[in-house]
Amino acid sequence: KQEVTQIPAALSVPEGENLVLNCSFTDSAIYNLQWFRQDPGKGLTSLLLIQSSQREQTSGRLNASLDKSSGRSTLYIAASQPGDSATYLCAVEGNNRLAFGKGNQVVVIP
Amino acid sequence: DAGVIQSPRHEVTEMGQEVTLRCKPISGHDYLFWYRQTMMRGLELLIYFNNNVPIDDSGMPEDRFSAKMPNASFSTLKIQPSEPRDSAVYFCASSFGGYGNEQFFGPGTRLTVL
Repeated sequence: KQEVTQIPAALSVPEGENLVLNCSFTDSAIYNLQWFRQDPGKGLTSLLLIQSSQREQTSGRLNASLDKSSGRSTLYIAASQPGDSATYLCAVEGNNRLAFGKGNQVVVIP
Repeated sequence: DAGVIQSPRHEVTEMGQEVTLRCKPISGHDYLFWYRQTMMRGLELLIYFNNNVPIDDSGMPEDRFSAKMPNASFSTLKIQPSEPRDSAVYFCASSFGGYGNEQFFGPGTRLTVL
């Protein structure tokens, strides 16, 4: 069974600093990996999707890398802003199902 | 498009009562997913449909849970009878083309069973 881990569970950073969020997974036989954002009381918004054949994806200030062999992905958010405060979830697709981590709860301090 | 629509947004019920959660996927999407989110277990897939047909219900916790998709624009998740341990946020998501493609999530239904 695929296990997805995100550490730390919560973190705070001052505005302007770069954010680095880590995700690890136990089974490297994945189809893709996705990063989602979840705001309190809301659903999930897809941020980036990395296919298994790719090493990274970028969208604006966001960059996600994927190292399948080591079972790791990293989400970088450059020059963080208070509006980036949210929970970020990593999800791995394999065996026709998405396995989610429990998320990194991020607070960006103005 | 209005996105994935779920109702109700909040539901409080007493143990033993029947609960029905509703979902309207994005028009044109052929896959629909039901998830449950709790602090302890995080987000878990309960069941998913392709073209209104249930494909994988291995995540449904027990026989008290059932899901239907009578047409392409509507799905229900029913819990009967409900128990306090069913308290969670239930999300519906839809996508075009299934896994490997972006899933769009609804706002969720927060269920509290007393």
